[in-house]
Amino acid sequence: KNEVEQSPQNLTAQEGEFITINCSYSVGISALHWLQQHPGGGIVSLFMLSSGKKKHGRLIATINIQEKHSSLHITASHPRDSAVYICAGDISNTGNQFYFGTGTSLTVIP
Amino acid sequence: DVKVTQSSRYLVKRTGEKVFLECVQDMDHENMFWYRQDPGLGLRLIYFSYDVKMKEKGDIPEGYSVSREKKERFSLILESASTNQTSMYLCASSLLGKLAQPQHFGDGTRLSIL
Repeated sequence: KNEVEQSPQNLTAQEGEFITINCSYSVGISALHWLQQHPGGGIVSLFMLSSGKKKHGRLIATINIQEKHSSLHITASHPRDSAVYICAGDISNTGNQFYFGTGTSLTVIP
Repeated sequence: DVKVTQSSRYLVKRTGEKVFLECVQDMDHENMFWYRQDPGLGLRLIYFSYDVKMKEKGDIPEGYSVSREKKERFSLILESASTNQTSMYLCASSLLGKLAQPQHFGDGTRLSIL
């Protein structure tokens, strides 16, 4: 069993739809990270959160510490949002030990 | 912005060759990491380093070694490449601090061993 699990593994949406990706973790973490990986490989950090909710443009990330669960929401999805979204839990408190989910592959169709 | 640069985007090598993957970061980060990424398995840590000449094994160090002679550069070495080392390799760096820090990733090197 993985320490960090994501669902769904694959997701296809129509442009404009509201999208939710879920992440559950089974270990104590100091922070939960959401990452985005576009075709071609480079990974970009979207959010780092340890409580509550963060918003950046059309992206919203929430975390429930008691339930050990986080969600990434994309409002008004667009084809350029097509990517793999990865959640990662930092168990070290110093940014040097992450447990990664296996990723959610999102395709947004025009 | 932090820049993590990996020396090659694509690399093809032969079985038994010694392979060097280079990574350079420009933000004076203490921590540097090498991961490999395979379909269905996510990112797995090979080695990380928290200071010059310091290294720690990750989850899958077998068949790999690393070198960190300068703070900004972290090299991954495949001592004798094998076909099961065909993969995407990602380098990352982060600040060493008392609070949680994000990791900053390079663009990856897609390595094929023939």
